Amino acid sequence: NAGVTQTPKFQVLKTGQSMTLQCAQDMNHNSMYWYRQDPGMGLRLIYYSASEGTTDKGEVPNGYNVSRLNKREFSLRLESAAPSQTSVYFCAGSRRGGGETQYFGPGTRLLVL
Amino acid sequence: AQSVTQPDIHITVSEGASLELRCNYSYGATPYLFWYVQSPGQGLQLLLKYFSGDTLVQGIKGFEAEFKRSQSSFNLRKPSVHWSDAAEYFCAVAGRTGTASKLTFGTGTRLQVTL
Repeated sequence: NAGVTQTPKFQVLKTGQSMTLQCAQDMNHNSMYWYRQDPGMGLRLIYYSASEGTTDKGEVPNGYNVSRLNKREFSLRLESAAPSQTSVYFCAGSRRGGGETQYFGPGTRLLVL
Repeated sequence: AQSVTQPDIHITVSEGASLELRCNYSYGATPYLFWYVQSPGQGLQLLLKYFSGDTLVQGIKGFEAEFKRSQSSFNLRKPSVHWSDAAEYFCAVAGRTGTASKLTFGTGTRLQVTL
């Protein structure tokens, strides 16, 4: 099993460009999450999907959109990238809610110039 | 709203010495508590978690943590640190309601191990 995978691993964008970060899992997770990690701030939740067909905002959703394409895939889209979105993005999944362990992907490092 | 405080940004210990990383949380009831470890350039790996029951929790790699309700703390300990333990450690809390496990992370503690 590959676990939680993310593509791309690294991306450079210019301000105003758009892109989609892809996440897929083969662990039969019902819930999936997108976090961003910035120096000195830990990880912050951007969006999550409690189950297939549902999505909700997390702590820092502004400037992002998500799509839960099916049970396996959860994508994060930046419509018009800004330098403040330079960060490392992590996708995670869990079997369900209620404190279930989240399993993290390896991350996507994004630089917006 | 739930929150997590890790008061130590950076800690240096000698190999073989004991380790304690501090974590304090704020939550209206008893939360789910987690410790994750992140090696440079890697994702996060779960070390241990507290759900209920015994307040001393054992995890992987010889780590343990103790939940103290009266102090709102969940400190991570290891009796003898190895050089390979050098990494960043994150404490996290999740509420007991809702259908998703939304984690709130602390800002992390970077552990350096000297030989």
